[in-house]
Amino acid sequence: GESVGLHLPTLSVQEGDNSIINCAYSNSASDYFIWYKQESGKGPQFIIDIRSNMDKRQGQRVTVLLNKTVKHLSLQIAATQPGDSAVYFCAEGGGVGGTSYGKLTFGQGTILTVHP
Amino acid sequence: NAGVTQTPKFQVLKTGQSMTLQCAQDMNHNSMYWYRQDPGMGLRLIYYSASEGTTDKGEVPNGYNVSRLNKREFSLRLESAAPSQTSVYFCASSGVYGYTFGSGTRLTVV
Repeated sequence: GESVGLHLPTLSVQEGDNSIINCAYSNSASDYFIWYKQESGKGPQFIIDIRSNMDKRQGQRVTVLLNKTVKHLSLQIAATQPGDSAVYFCAEGGGVGGTSYGKLTFGQGTILTVHP
Repeated sequence: NAGVTQTPKFQVLKTGQSMTLQCAQDMNHNSMYWYRQDPGMGLRLIYYSASEGTTDKGEVPNGYNVSRLNKREFSLRLESAAPSQTSVYFCASSGVYGYTFGSGTRLTVV
């Protein structure tokens, strides 16, 4: 299992800066990776995902990079806004039947704080 | 709005009491999951149901049971609650195009 602790990594940025949140995953056989945003008192909210056959995927203001060689995943948020302040989790998983999402293994999470 | 609905949102139990957490999804997803989240940690999988009629253990199944009642509903039962089960519980469902979480049940066992 993953090592976990009570002290999450933190990232503080100024409004308008770009943010990069990193994640090391454990299973080289994972089919896909997902980034989630979690605000206080709420469930995880899907941000973006990437399949293992890709190394980059872009969404609106977000980019996910996958480096399978070193089992590293990153989330880049452009022009970070105060509303982006939250805990960000990466998750890895394998498909059910090869096409659907399946059970996920979550990373520890990173607290992003955006200062106005 | 389409999504995953969990009940109750909050619950306090005494040690040894039992309860069932309810979850329903209206996205016609085949797979459903129960996760728990402890302070400062990511979510950990308790049980999952890849399709109607099947259930399997996840990473932390001890002390829990589940029932996939039909395609829409997946319940989590604590037969004899323990303080170590104090946590926030999230239900989720997934299909080909998405993976959606409910808003969580905050459970405290005293």
